[in-house]
Amino acid sequence: EPEVTQTPSHQVTQMGQEVILRCVPISNHLYFYWYRQILGQKVEFLVSFYNNEISEKSEIFDDQFSVERPDGSNFTLKIRSTKLEDSAMYFCASSAWANGYTFGSGTRLTVV
Amino acid sequence: AQSVTQPDIHITVSEGASLELRCNYSYGATPYLFWYVQSPGQGLQLLLKYFSGDTLVQGIKGFEAEFKRSQSSFNLRKPSVHWSDAAEYFCAVGARTGGFKTIFGAGTRLFVKA
Repeated sequence: EPEVTQTPSHQVTQMGQEVILRCVPISNHLYFYWYRQILGQKVEFLVSFYNNEISEKSEIFDDQFSVERPDGSNFTLKIRSTKLEDSAMYFCASSAWANGYTFGSGTRLTVV
Repeated sequence: AQSVTQPDIHITVSEGASLELRCNYSYGATPYLFWYVQSPGQGLQLLLKYFSGDTLVQGIKGFEAEFKRSQSSFNLRKPSVHWSDAAEYFCAVGARTGGFKTIFGAGTRLFVKA
């Protein structure tokens, strides 16, 4: 069964550093997303991406965040200058349309 | 704006007993509804989805859910719970807003006792 692959599975970074979280969506999917889940809290929408541009973003997705699809397979989330409160599990997801996402297994980001 | 409410933060059931997890949504049009399961430290797995048609939908692992428009509910059920069902369950509503944003409920943690 096709999978969404996320790397790394766990990343520790110092406050103020830039991090890039990587995702390989399912190959024939057209919509890509990033969500985050702070420990013990709900899954929160960050951004959706379609046709090489952001289609929607949440209030969380401020100027410190950016997304990119640098080639035909990867989808990245960059946090420019990490803060302690950015510590969370970040999930990438992709979908063909409205038939439910396929989520990756997540990247646990720890900012120290 | 769409929203999802899962009234139960956690539920404990005995193995072999039936299960119902509640979910209420708020959305102005016909919603796309989902249930996801998350085991500790794991990602989210889609259990089932409702878009239209038969209001009783079957999913994986023996789960089913029923869409009730009049009650704005989409409750998840399983007739006989197994210990391996212990996990966090998230109800979600999808809306076509730009892309296809999905809003998640806060989750219900299921504990299964022997």
